[in-house]
Formats: sequence, C-alpha cells, structure tokens
Amino acid sequence: DVQMTQSPSSLSASVGDRVTITCRASQIITHYLNWYQQKLGTAPKLLIYAAASLQSGVPSRFSGSGSGTDFTLTINSLQPEDSATYYCQQSYYTPPTFGQGTRVEIK
Amino acid sequence: EVQLVESGGGLVQPGGSLRLSCADSGFTFSSHWMHWVRQAPGKGLVWVSRINIDGTTTTYAESVEGRFTISRDNAKNTLYLQMNSLRVEDTAVYYCVRRGGSGTFPFDSWGQGTLVTVSS
Repeated sequence: DVQMTQSPSSLSASVGDRVTITCRASQIITHYLNWYQQKLGTAPKLLIYAAASLQSGVPSRFSGSGSGTDFTLTINSLQPEDSATYYCQQSYYTPPTFGQGTRVEIK
Repeated sequence: EVQLVESGGGLVQPGGSLRLSCADSGFTFSSHWMHWVRQAPGKGLVWVSRINIDGTTTTYAESVEGRFTISRDNAKNTLYLQMNSLRVEDTAVYYCVRRGGSGTFPFDSWGQGTLVTVSS
C-alpha cells in the first residue's frame, strides 16, 4: 500500500497566521491527492481535490499544491473555525490511503 | 444536496455480525461508486471497501477481506456493509462515502457515521 506521511502531526497558530501542512507519498501519485478537514465529532469534508482544485463552497483561504510525491495544504489567514484535523489521501492506487492527520489548534 | 445517512451500528460481541446501511437522498445514487471508510476511536481514517456503479465489482481492505461484504440496491438508493466474524479491532465509526467524478475521484460526500463497538 502507498504510505502517506503528513507533517507536522499537530500545530498551534494564531488567527490570521498562514499555516502549511505537508504530505508525502511513498510512491509517485501524480496529482491524485485530496485533502479533507474533520472537525471534532463530525464527518470529514472534502477541501481540495486533484492536489490544487478547491471544492465548491470551500473558502479561498485554503489552497493546495504539489505533484508526484510531495504536496502542501496552505491555509492563508487562519480563522477560528479552521480548528480541525486535516488529512491527505491518495486516490491513484488501490487501496486509497490517508495520511495520519494534522491537528490544527488556534492559540 | 447530497445526504447520506448510515444506520445499523451498535454493540456486538466478538465473532458476531452486523449489517450497516446507508441511504441516499438528493443525488443520483446509481451513478456513483460508493465506499466505506472507518475511524477507530481517536485514530485516523482507514478505507474499508468499495463497490462500482452496478455492484458487479467490489474491493476490500486486507484486514476485512473474507469477513465483510459490500453491496448496493440502486432501486432503494441504499448501500450496505455486511460484517461477519467481527473482532475487537473492528471497533470504529463507519462512514458511507460517495466517490466523486472530478478527475482524481475524491470522496466528495460523507455520511454522519455509525458507531460499531465490538466488545464482550
């Protein structure tokens, strides 16, 4: 299976900060990389698909980049409602696999 | 708007069985591949199984192969997961998930999840 490794595992940042989360795949997955946000006690929600495409309805402060094996999720101007765990996921190989998650806390 | 609603979770003893259901409302269920993803308490997301549009192709994670069966009834807009020979390590919230068609086939709609607890 393709292993997805996220860093950091957790971070704490202030409102208005720019936050960057990285995701590395153990094999080349071209642009088949998706990002999800999961708030406490709720189901995950799709944020970014195809590495850089913003899902409909997702605020423009979220952006994604990367290809091959290295990817980044950026949150510009962090907001209180962005407190959540973020997961990357590859959809190039079967089985689809997720990163271990990055918890984002607001200072 | 897509709405997926799971049911059927609960407490079961090791070795027991449960059948999860996922009812769709609001989109063309029969046009989408469907998946199950689970999340153990305090842990990350793990893919479990998938089924194609007409139910003729299914795939499973190694950890559930031979014990779980995914199926669908397009006439009822419902997805199922039959879980047999349950183990303590199957304890998790199980999410019904729609695979989108946007290029990289992301999981674009998720149900609220149903908790399965395997314990004696």
